[in-house]
Amino acid sequence: AQKITQTQPGMFVQEKEAVTLDCTYDTSDPSYGLFWYKQPSSGEMIFLIYQGSYDQQNATEGRYSLNFQKARKSANLVISASQLGDSAMYFCAMRNTGGFKTIFGAGTRLFVKA
Amino acid sequence: NAGVTQTPKFQVLKTGQSMTLQCAQDMNHEYMSWYRQDPGMGLRLIHYSVGAGITDQGEVPNGYNVSRSTTEDFPLRLLSAAPSQTSVYFCASSYGLAGQETQYFGPGTRLLVL
Repeated sequence: AQKITQTQPGMFVQEKEAVTLDCTYDTSDPSYGLFWYKQPSSGEMIFLIYQGSYDQQNATEGRYSLNFQKARKSANLVISASQLGDSAMYFCAMRNTGGFKTIFGAGTRLFVKA
Repeated sequence: NAGVTQTPKFQVLKTGQSMTLQCAQDMNHEYMSWYRQDPGMGLRLIHYSVGAGITDQGEVPNGYNVSRSTTEDFPLRLLSAAPSQTSVYFCASSYGLAGQETQYFGPGTRLLVL
């Protein structure tokens, strides 16, 4: 069965520092995609970054990068130069390629300190 | 371009009452889904649709009905509300199922069942 695990319920980071949010996954399918979403206090879900299981390079989108270690089944989100506006809930999600069902982790709440 | 819209934003129901949560998208997306978000549990898939006239159950379908008569609309019906259905409900849509096709989420409906 597919599963996403986010072991950090909450994280603190100082403004302008980098932070890593952990995500491990489990699937028996060889082809899948991994997503990270941000949910600020206003409640909307914002897509941040995507990594395909066959992608050779780690995905990057501005200050967001995904540290993808396929053998370890981990897909950690790295936020560089944290900003106060990064304070939010972050969700890791996975979907098998061609499938519809996306499963989500329980989320990590990030607090950025000034 | 409105994206994915949901109504109402907030709703209070009494046990046993029925209601419909509305979801509409103007992006001509074939794929739509409903999730519920509960504290500490991330998002869980309730029902989804791969096109007009086609729906299927997700992870937690009990107590909910859906229909998809048009590409744009995907309402979620609670026939007899229960306190366990107190949650935040998100509707999402996507163009396809190719690897990096992310879902676009609506702003959510916060439901309280007394």
